[in-house]
Amino acid sequence: DAGVIQSPRHEVTEMGQEVTLRCKPISGHNSLFWYRQTMMRGLELLIYFNNNVPIDDSGMPEDRFSAKMPNASFSTLKIQPSEPRDSAVYFCASSRPSGANGNTIYFGEGSWLTVV
Amino acid sequence: RKEVEQDPGPFNVPEGATVAFNCTYSNSASQSFFWYRQDCRKEPKLLMSVYSSGNEDGRFTAQLNRASQYISLLIRDSKLSDSATYLCVVNSTGGFKTIFGAGTRLFVKA
Repeated sequence: DAGVIQSPRHEVTEMGQEVTLRCKPISGHNSLFWYRQTMMRGLELLIYFNNNVPIDDSGMPEDRFSAKMPNASFSTLKIQPSEPRDSAVYFCASSRPSGANGNTIYFGEGSWLTVV
Repeated sequence: RKEVEQDPGPFNVPEGATVAFNCTYSNSASQSFFWYRQDCRKEPKLLMSVYSSGNEDGRFTAQLNRASQYISLLIRDSKLSDSATYLCVVNSTGGFKTIFGAGTRLFVKA
């Protein structure tokens, strides 16, 4: 089975440009997560969706960040305008309830963003 | 206080050594617990779930102490390939909010 698929894998962009990261979750998973990872702050949850509905976006750093999930197989994370401090690895992950042990989360390979 | 806290590391151990990582969590209503492994420049991957009675998977043993809100991971007979960052993960009630610890780096040396 295909895992979580993210694109682009790497992006270098200039400050002020719009960045769109894309994610296809594992088929059948009903929860989708966007994480950001940096050396300084570790792995931070930005937003998660359940059944395509945003449940908690309290981790989104500011209004420049937005995320959508128009259907069960696609999500985007957009940064507009981008700033150098947005440089990080952005991971998309998905899960479905796995019984009494809760949700096992599966990560994509990440989108490595550099804003210069 | 962070919701999930881990030993800062790094841990530098020789091959064959036994090493233990600790993790504490603040939400007493947390229901599910995991250890993830992250290799350099890779995504986190599930290492093992942590069950209330404790569980073992080969050289890896996970323990949960709900009263103390404490999770541990023990690695026996360390291998060079065990070198990675180990992330403690806690799932809140309802399973919708998953919090990752900052991770503990392990270096196993020959």
